[in-house]
Amino acid sequence: NAGVTQTPKFQVLKTGQSMTLQCAQDMNHNSMYWYRQDPGMGLRLIYYSASEGTTDKGEVPNGYNVSRLNKREFSLRLESAAPSQTSVYFCATEASLRTEAFFGQGTRLTVV
Amino acid sequence: DQQVKQNSPSLSVQEGRISILNCDYTNSMFDYFLWYKKYPAEGPTFLISISSIKDKNEDGRFTVFLNKSAKHLSLHIVPSQPGDSAVYFCAASADSWGKFQFGAGTQVVVTP
Repeated sequence: NAGVTQTPKFQVLKTGQSMTLQCAQDMNHNSMYWYRQDPGMGLRLIYYSASEGTTDKGEVPNGYNVSRLNKREFSLRLESAAPSQTSVYFCATEASLRTEAFFGQGTRLTVV
Repeated sequence: DQQVKQNSPSLSVQEGRISILNCDYTNSMFDYFLWYKKYPAEGPTFLISISSIKDKNEDGRFTVFLNKSAKHLSLHIVPSQPGDSAVYFCAASADSWGKFQFGAGTQVVVTP
């Protein structure tokens, strides 16, 4: 039982490049989230999907887009990467809103 | 605007002693709180929760206290063990929004 799987685990991008972070869950959860973790800032919500077919902005959505492909998969896209997007990105799922979240292992992204 | 604050970035405690982690919040609408534990290179994992209808919740060595009038919660770990060395995040949610806001985290180091 893998839980929440993120790919890739590490990535280095040049400024202006694009990439998609993938997240897949096998927990049959409805809600999925993308967070970024920066030193001294904790986890900040980028986008979330309360259920299949819906997505909404979180606290820091600028520069990102998301796709809830199906119940299992929720991807995060950086169209034109900037150094300010250097961070550790976590995908998480919840069975429903306001329950405990289950996190993936994270993607460490560096934009140079 | 960080509405959830963990003002102590780090805490060092001897094995067997009590660890007390603090978390303050500014939004009086927050009514549900979680604590997560995070090891390096892993995603956060859920530890314990508390609802605003309670002022204490206990799970084994972990106890969370909530003081609504002071907008303050604390996590007590008794006794502390070396495996408790990790970063601890508190998170708060309001029913009206449904998502969680996270504090910046406290790094706990348990020394022999």
